[in-house]
Amino acid sequence: DTEVTQTPKHLVMGMTNKKSLKCEQHMGHRAMYWYKQKAKKPPELMFVYSYEKLSINESVPSRFSPECPNSSLLNLHLHALQPEDSALYLCASSQEPAGPSTGELFFGEGSRLTVL
Amino acid sequence: QQPVQSPQAVILREGEDAVINCSSSKALYSVHWYRQKHGEAPVFLMILLKGGEQKGHDKISASFNEKKQQSSLYLTASQLSYSGTYFCGTGFYTGGFKTIFGAGTRLFVKA
Repeated sequence: DTEVTQTPKHLVMGMTNKKSLKCEQHMGHRAMYWYKQKAKKPPELMFVYSYEKLSINESVPSRFSPECPNSSLLNLHLHALQPEDSALYLCASSQEPAGPSTGELFFGEGSRLTVL
Repeated sequence: QQPVQSPQAVILREGEDAVINCSSSKALYSVHWYRQKHGEAPVFLMILLKGGEQKGHDKISASFNEKKQQSSLYLTASQLSYSGTYFCGTGFYTGGFKTIFGAGTRLFVKA
């Protein structure tokens, strides 16, 4: 099983809603990531979890709240989002958190978020 | 810290070759190449770790010139399936491992 599974695939929410994006991997990877991707742009790093602890927060607004309940799961809680937050949210995992040789990222297919 | 890619876009006929370049104004410790097809997730192609390292994968290969702080991706005898956006990424460790992607090179291969 070499998949990173993200749900939901599509999400439409209002600015006052609270929703969550979910990500799951069963490859035994110990690093998990959230990236945001706008159309025709590269993926932009948001958060990194290493061994279930938040190790990098790229100055992401607090309306995005990540959570790593266990080594296989990663959530992104969304609250009071703005229309400009509409994007594709990609989850990724890698084998180990440290070292470039293990930095190969396995991406999920993403959750396409639209904020009205 | 975002690496710079060139060209921004390439249109090829099947069987033609292409080169995509990636450079950085800061030291590169590793270079990662990914391909993303429209509507799909990015897919890992290869990592280059050392200056002078070259790797190949089918008819796609890459080189890494550490001194010049640049990497190049070579696509030989391109196939329709090579179409997509190619991203180079620079990886470094800062409490956790970060991969920062360049803006991407859109490659379109036509029959």
